[in-house]
Amino acid sequence: EAQVTQNPRYLITVTGKKLTVTCSQNMNHEYMSWYRQDPGLGLRQIYYSMNVEVTDKGDVPEGYKVSRKEKRNFPLILESPSPNQTSLYFCASSLTWRGGYTFGSGTRLTVV
Amino acid sequence: KQEVTQIPAALSVPEGENLVLNCSFTDSAIYNLQWFRQDPGKGLTSLLLIQSSQREQTSGRLNASLDKSSGRSTLYIAASQPGDSATYLCAPYNQAGTALIFGKGTTLSVSS
Repeated sequence: EAQVTQNPRYLITVTGKKLTVTCSQNMNHEYMSWYRQDPGLGLRQIYYSMNVEVTDKGDVPEGYKVSRKEKRNFPLILESPSPNQTSLYFCASSLTWRGGYTFGSGTRLTVV
Repeated sequence: KQEVTQIPAALSVPEGENLVLNCSFTDSAIYNLQWFRQDPGKGLTSLLLIQSSQREQTSGRLNASLDKSSGRSTLYIAASQPGDSATYLCAPYNQAGTALIFGKGTTLSVSS
């Protein structure tokens, strides 16, 4: 089945403890991206990657890192999480950067 | 900066009604526009992708139109069913084509 897989689905962590949210797609898509969803603010882009080894910032990149070493994987790294990063995170991919997007099921992160 | 407004914010209808969800955006220089549905606590499911050269797309009971010059898109749902209850999100691409810009959504409730 063609899909974007995120792990974990739920995560509770403490302030300052480094964490990684994984994202993998099996559709040979070039383009991948991370969004966060917050009540009242909607979905906002954190980072995106046009292809392997090419990444760039979205609208809300502060406090996040990404890497794209392989086409299928695009992990989101929080080096020192803070409570304001408590959110619902989505990974998305697309065959090309202007193509239709497929989203993962989301990761609900709580930082205490 | 692209801003997306969806009206109404919430809508309750009895089963069987035809309905229209509205989306407006401030920058008409978009590439594509995608409609999604989101069930509570779940990921985004793509409904329709309208490419910039198209004026509408249809899938089953759903029809989406795009008028770039006026900065509007509408999602028409025919013969609504309780299973259509969800939040519907409109997302034109940003001017660079590297991100989806989301509205805050229309939450639809269809009663049986």
